[in-house]
Amino acid sequence: KNQVEQSPQSLIILEGKNCTLQCNYTVSPFSNLRWYKQDTGRGPVSLTIMTFSENTKSNGRYTATLDADTKQSSLHITASQLSDSASYICVVSGPPGNTPLVFGKGTRLSVIA
Amino acid sequence: EAQVTQNPRYLITVTGKKLTVTCSQNMNHEYMSWYRQDPGLGLRQIYYSMNVEVTDKGDVPEGYKVSRKEKRNFPLILESPSPNQTSLYFCASSPQGYYGYTFGSGTRLTVV
Repeated sequence: KNQVEQSPQSLIILEGKNCTLQCNYTVSPFSNLRWYKQDTGRGPVSLTIMTFSENTKSNGRYTATLDADTKQSSLHITASQLSDSASYICVVSGPPGNTPLVFGKGTRLSVIA
Repeated sequence: EAQVTQNPRYLITVTGKKLTVTCSQNMNHEYMSWYRQDPGLGLRQIYYSMNVEVTDKGDVPEGYKVSRKEKRNFPLILESPSPNQTSLYFCASSPQGYYGYTFGSGTRLTVV
């Protein structure tokens, strides 16, 4: 069964600290993996997207990694800010015409002063 | 500005009263989709459309209808809403279904 599992479910960190969120998936065949940031009550906004051949992609203080062999991804947030408080959702897709998007349930990150 | 626009943002209705949530995108995307989001369950796909006049069921289609008469619009219809359809709904579009989604701002629906 195609699944995306994220950990931890929730995380609290101090402002300025780094953190890493995990995403494991069983989606096959695989096309790409995306990380989204979702503020409470708002629509998800794309942070990064990686295809099979990419293993690292950065977007400012956000760096995503992908290991397609082990089917694992991580999102590393550097020097966290209060505005990073949100849910972070990992989404995996198969090729066109194949499996629709498979969403993880997200990691709820709270950055406190 | 490229965007997906949903209306209304908030809606409270009574059981059985038909309602429509509109979704419009200005990016000429072929693919559009509706999701509902409930605490602890994440985003679940309701219906999707690969192009005009082409729609298909997602994971939780029961109680919902959609139509895709024009490329830019993809309304979600609840013919007879029930309290278990109280949720946060998102519309999304993509140039192709497997790449680069843009989400709307969401519609919070309460059915009493």
